[in-house]
Amino acid sequence: GESVGLHLPTLSVQEGDNSIINCAYSNSASDYFIWYKQESGKGPQFIIDIRSNMDKRQGQRVTVLLNKTVKHLSLQIAATQPGDSAVYFCAGLSGGSYIPTFGRGTSLIVHP
Amino acid sequence: DTEVTQTPKHLVMGMTNKKSLKCEQHMGHRAMYWYKQKAKKPPELMFVYSYEKLSINESVPSRFSPECPNSSLLNLHLHALQPEDSALYLCASSRQLAGGSDTQYFGPGTRLTVL
Repeated sequence: GESVGLHLPTLSVQEGDNSIINCAYSNSASDYFIWYKQESGKGPQFIIDIRSNMDKRQGQRVTVLLNKTVKHLSLQIAATQPGDSAVYFCAGLSGGSYIPTFGRGTSLIVHP
Repeated sequence: DTEVTQTPKHLVMGMTNKKSLKCEQHMGHRAMYWYKQKAKKPPELMFVYSYEKLSINESVPSRFSPECPNSSLLNLHLHALQPEDSALYLCASSRQLAGGSDTQYFGPGTRLTVL
Protein backbone atom coordinates (compact mmCIF):
# COMPACT_ATOMS: atom_id res chain seq x y z
CA GLY A 1 0.00 0.00 0.00
CA GLU A 2 0.86 3.67 -0.03
CA SER A 3 3.46 4.84 2.42
CA VAL A 4 4.38 8.47 2.60
CA GLY A 5 6.90 9.76 5.06
CA LEU A 6 9.10 12.70 5.79
CA HIS A 7 12.84 12.59 6.36
CA LEU A 8 13.12 15.00 9.32
CA PRO A 9 10.66 15.60 12.13
CA THR A 10 11.89 19.15 12.84
CA LEU A 11 13.54 21.82 10.70
CA SER A 12 14.87 25.03 12.24
CA VAL A 13 15.79 27.96 10.01
CA GLN A 14 16.56 31.66 10.34
CA GLU A 15 14.11 34.20 9.03
CA GLY A 16 14.96 35.04 5.44
CA ASP A 17 16.60 31.70 4.70
CA ASN A 18 15.18 29.25 2.19
CA SER A 19 13.62 26.09 3.64
CA ILE A 20 13.47 22.66 2.06
CA ILE A 21 11.16 19.99 3.42
CA ASN A 22 11.50 16.51 1.98
CA CYS A 23 9.09 13.64 1.52
CA ALA A 24 9.54 10.09 0.22
CA TYR A 25 6.82 7.78 -1.04
CA SER A 26 6.78 4.08 -1.71
CA ASN A 27 3.92 3.54 -4.15
CA SER A 28 5.16 4.02 -7.70
CA ALA A 29 1.50 4.28 -8.81
CA SER A 30 1.08 7.52 -6.87
CA ASP A 31 0.15 10.19 -9.36
CA TYR A 32 -0.93 13.19 -7.34
CA PHE A 33 0.72 14.87 -4.37
CA ILE A 34 -0.32 17.65 -2.04
CA TRP A 35 1.51 19.71 0.54
CA TYR A 36 -0.45 20.91 3.55
CA LYS A 37 0.51 23.45 6.21
CA GLN A 38 -0.96 23.05 9.68
CA GLU A 39 -0.53 25.85 12.17
CA SER A 40 -1.00 25.28 15.84
CA GLY A 41 -4.68 24.91 16.72
CA LYS A 42 -5.82 24.89 13.10
CA GLY A 43 -6.70 22.35 10.45
CA PRO A 44 -4.37 21.51 7.54
CA GLN A 45 -4.32 24.13 4.84
CA PHE A 46 -3.65 23.32 1.18
CA ILE A 47 -0.41 24.90 -0.06
CA ILE A 48 0.39 23.42 -3.43
CA ASP A 49 -0.10 20.26 -5.42
CA ILE A 50 1.64 18.47 -8.27
CA ARG A 51 0.70 15.71 -10.66
CA SER A 52 3.05 12.94 -11.66
CA ASN A 53 3.34 14.24 -15.23
CA MET A 54 5.18 17.27 -13.86
CA ASP A 55 8.51 17.57 -12.07
CA LYS A 56 8.17 21.11 -10.79
CA ARG A 57 5.42 23.49 -9.85
CA GLN A 58 5.73 26.97 -8.43
CA GLY A 59 3.44 29.01 -6.29
CA GLN A 60 3.89 32.19 -4.33
CA ARG A 61 7.22 31.71 -2.48
CA VAL A 62 6.77 27.93 -2.64
CA THR A 63 8.03 25.38 -5.13
CA VAL A 64 7.35 21.66 -5.18
CA LEU A 65 9.78 19.33 -6.91
CA LEU A 66 8.92 15.77 -7.82
CA ASN A 67 11.50 13.11 -8.66
CA LYS A 68 9.65 10.00 -9.74
CA THR A 69 12.85 8.05 -10.28
CA VAL A 70 13.68 8.05 -6.59
CA LYS A 71 10.08 8.59 -5.41
CA HIS A 72 10.85 11.82 -3.66
CA LEU A 73 9.25 15.21 -3.47
CA SER A 74 10.25 18.37 -1.73
CA LEU A 75 8.69 21.65 -0.72
CA GLN A 76 10.89 24.71 -1.00
CA ILE A 77 9.91 27.89 0.78
CA ALA A 78 11.76 31.02 -0.27
CA ALA A 79 12.64 33.78 2.20
CA THR A 80 11.08 31.92 5.12
CA GLN A 81 9.08 34.10 7.49
CA PRO A 82 7.99 33.55 11.10
CA GLY A 83 4.45 33.04 9.80
CA ASP A 84 5.69 29.95 7.97
CA SER A 85 6.27 28.19 11.29
CA ALA A 86 3.95 25.19 11.23
CA VAL A 87 3.83 21.45 10.64
CA TYR A 88 4.02 20.53 6.98
CA PHE A 89 2.48 17.32 5.67
CA CYS A 90 2.91 15.75 2.29
CA ALA A 91 0.07 13.57 1.05
CA GLY A 92 -0.12 11.26 -1.93
CA LEU A 93 -2.87 9.65 -3.97
CA SER A 94 -2.64 6.83 -6.46
CA GLY A 95 -4.88 6.25 -9.43
CA GLY A 96 -8.35 5.14 -8.38
CA SER A 97 -7.85 6.23 -4.80
CA TYR A 98 -9.48 9.44 -3.71
CA ILE A 99 -8.27 9.49 -0.13
CA PRO A 100 -4.84 11.05 0.44
CA THR A 101 -2.26 9.19 2.49
CA PHE A 102 -0.54 11.62 4.83
CA GLY A 103 3.11 11.54 5.75
CA ARG A 104 4.32 11.94 9.32
CA GLY A 105 4.83 15.69 9.18
CA THR A 106 7.79 18.06 9.57
CA SER A 107 7.71 20.84 12.11
CA LEU A 108 9.23 24.01 10.63
CA ILE A 109 10.52 26.48 13.20
CA VAL A 110 11.53 29.92 11.93
CA HIS A 111 13.76 31.98 14.21
CA PRO A 112 13.58 35.78 13.88
CA ASP B 1 -16.53 31.01 0.25
CA THR B 2 -13.86 28.34 0.68
CA GLU B 3 -14.43 27.73 4.33
CA VAL B 4 -15.29 24.67 6.34
CA THR B 5 -16.60 25.54 9.78
CA GLN B 6 -16.68 23.31 12.83
CA THR B 7 -18.38 23.65 16.18
CA PRO B 8 -17.62 23.58 18.99
CA LYS B 9 -13.97 24.62 18.93
CA HIS B 10 -13.32 22.85 22.23
CA LEU B 11 -15.30 20.13 23.99
CA VAL B 12 -14.74 18.46 27.33
CA MET B 13 -16.94 15.48 28.12
CA GLY B 14 -17.20 12.63 30.57
CA MET B 15 -17.23 9.01 29.52
CA THR B 16 -21.00 8.75 30.06
CA ASN B 17 -21.91 11.90 28.15
CA LYS B 18 -23.48 12.17 24.71
CA LYS B 19 -22.30 15.03 22.55
CA SER B 20 -22.15 15.97 18.87
CA LEU B 21 -19.59 17.66 16.67
CA LYS B 22 -20.84 19.71 13.74
CA CYS B 23 -19.31 20.61 10.41
CA GLU B 24 -20.66 22.85 7.66
CA GLN B 25 -19.51 23.89 4.19
CA HIS B 26 -21.19 25.99 1.52
CA MET B 27 -18.86 25.28 -1.38
CA GLY B 28 -21.24 22.82 -3.02
CA HIS B 29 -18.89 19.96 -2.19
CA ARG B 30 -20.46 16.53 -2.31
CA ALA B 31 -17.77 14.63 -0.39
CA MET B 32 -17.23 15.17 3.33
CA TYR B 33 -14.82 13.54 5.72
CA TRP B 34 -14.11 13.06 9.40
CA TYR B 35 -10.51 12.69 10.55
CA LYS B 36 -9.00 12.15 13.97
CA GLN B 37 -5.63 13.71 14.74
CA LYS B 38 -3.46 13.02 17.75
CA ALA B 39 -0.72 15.41 18.78
CA LYS B 40 2.27 15.46 16.44
CA LYS B 41 0.65 12.88 14.14
CA PRO B 42 -0.95 13.14 10.71
CA PRO B 43 -4.74 13.07 10.37
CA GLU B 44 -6.29 9.58 10.38
CA LEU B 45 -9.35 9.02 8.23
CA MET B 46 -12.49 7.92 10.08
CA PHE B 47 -15.48 8.33 7.73
CA VAL B 48 -16.21 9.48 4.21
CA TYR B 49 -19.59 10.62 2.90
CA SER B 50 -20.35 10.98 -0.78
CA TYR B 51 -23.64 12.56 -1.85
CA GLU B 52 -24.89 12.24 1.73
CA LYS B 53 -24.26 8.51 1.81
CA LEU B 54 -21.61 6.81 3.93
CA SER B 55 -18.89 5.54 1.59
CA ILE B 56 -16.11 4.61 3.94
CA ASN B 57 -15.97 3.62 7.59
CA GLU B 58 -12.38 2.96 8.57
CA SER B 59 -13.32 0.40 11.23
CA VAL B 60 -14.24 3.13 13.66
CA PRO B 61 -15.77 2.01 16.99
CA SER B 62 -19.54 2.36 17.22
CA ARG B 63 -19.23 4.96 19.97
CA PHE B 64 -18.60 7.34 17.04
CA SER B 65 -21.68 7.74 14.86
CA PRO B 66 -21.57 9.97 11.78
CA GLU B 67 -24.56 11.62 10.18
CA CYS B 68 -24.95 13.67 7.01
CA PRO B 69 -28.35 15.40 7.18
CA ASN B 70 -27.80 17.27 3.91
CA SER B 71 -25.09 18.15 1.44
CA SER B 72 -23.77 21.02 3.57
CA LEU B 73 -23.76 19.45 7.01
CA LEU B 74 -21.86 16.65 8.65
CA ASN B 75 -22.24 15.58 12.26
CA LEU B 76 -20.30 13.23 14.48
CA HIS B 77 -22.27 11.89 17.43
CA LEU B 78 -20.24 10.80 20.42
CA HIS B 79 -21.34 8.42 23.16
CA ALA B 80 -19.50 6.52 25.87
CA LEU B 81 -16.09 7.71 24.74
CA GLN B 82 -12.81 6.71 26.33
CA PRO B 83 -9.98 9.01 27.46
CA GLU B 84 -7.86 7.73 24.54
CA ASP B 85 -10.44 9.26 22.18
CA SER B 86 -9.18 12.69 23.20
CA ALA B 87 -7.85 14.29 20.01
CA LEU B 88 -8.43 16.98 17.41
CA TYR B 89 -11.36 16.00 15.19
CA LEU B 90 -11.12 17.46 11.72
CA CYS B 91 -13.81 17.77 9.12
CA ALA B 92 -12.92 18.16 5.46
CA SER B 93 -14.77 18.45 2.19
CA SER B 94 -13.96 18.11 -1.49
CA ARG B 95 -15.88 18.55 -4.72
CA GLN B 96 -16.53 14.86 -5.10
CA LEU B 97 -14.99 11.43 -4.72
CA ALA B 98 -13.66 11.04 -8.22
CA GLY B 99 -10.34 10.99 -9.93
CA GLY B 100 -8.31 11.28 -6.77
CA SER B 101 -7.38 14.83 -7.51
CA ASP B 102 -9.93 16.97 -5.75
CA THR B 103 -8.34 19.01 -3.02
CA GLN B 104 -9.67 18.52 0.47
CA TYR B 105 -10.49 21.65 2.42
CA PHE B 106 -10.17 21.23 6.17
CA GLY B 107 -12.01 22.91 8.99
CA PRO B 108 -10.20 24.22 12.09
CA GLY B 109 -11.11 21.14 14.10
CA THR B 110 -12.75 20.43 17.43
CA ARG B 111 -10.35 19.80 20.30
CA LEU B 112 -12.01 16.99 22.28
CA THR B 113 -11.01 16.02 25.79
CA VAL B 114 -12.60 12.95 27.40
CA LEU B 115 -12.31 12.80 31.16
